[in-house]
Amino acid sequence: GDSVTQMEGPVTLSEEAFLTINCTYTATGYPSLFWYVQYPGEGLQLLLKATKADDKGSNKGFEATYRKETTSFHLEKGSVQVSDSAVYFCALSGKLTGGGADGLTFGKGTHLIIQP
Amino acid sequence: DGGITQSPKYLFRKEGQNVTLSCEQNLNHDAMYWYRQDPGQGLRLIYYSQIVNDFQKGDIAEGYSVSREKKESFPLTVTSAQKNPTAFYLCASSAGRTGTQYFGPGTRLTVL
Repeated sequence: GDSVTQMEGPVTLSEEAFLTINCTYTATGYPSLFWYVQYPGEGLQLLLKATKADDKGSNKGFEATYRKETTSFHLEKGSVQVSDSAVYFCALSGKLTGGGADGLTFGKGTHLIIQP
Repeated sequence: DGGITQSPKYLFRKEGQNVTLSCEQNLNHDAMYWYRQDPGQGLRLIYYSQIVNDFQKGDIAEGYSVSREKKESFPLTVTSAQKNPTAFYLCASSAGRTGTQYFGPGTRLTVL
């Protein structure tokens, strides 16, 4: 079945450092790929997405490129801020177990800590 | 404003009691989902519904029940059969096959 693997962390960086959070996936077909962010005690917010190979999703200085040849969707940001501290989830679209309906498969999340 | 609401934000119950968590959306989305999140863990799918009056079990449905009588509402009942119900519960919805899910703020359930 479909699966998403991402570095679990915690990842600790200093403010203004370069960020990369790795995400690789296993899926049949051509899924859409997503990054979600979760701040403490809150729900998940969509950060960015890409729907086909070589697409680049971007938002709030974060970027990720859909690489079909390496089945990856790594999240990057050039200069992180303390306010970026959160948990980041990589996800892909596909068929869910049971009814075969459409849904998302999530990675386990990467806890990012930015120190001033 | 369109969005997903979950209530209450914090919920406390005694062991052995059933409890129902509310999820309402005004995004006109067909599909709705319930996830469970434990500390340091990812999201695990409990139940999902693609249309009104239809729902399917996810990966960890045992001890939970749902209903989908209205498009806007997808309540989750945590029954006394759920062995370890203390967790953070997240509701989400999506516009069918687009894939993007939008999440509510979550309900933190603590069973004493």
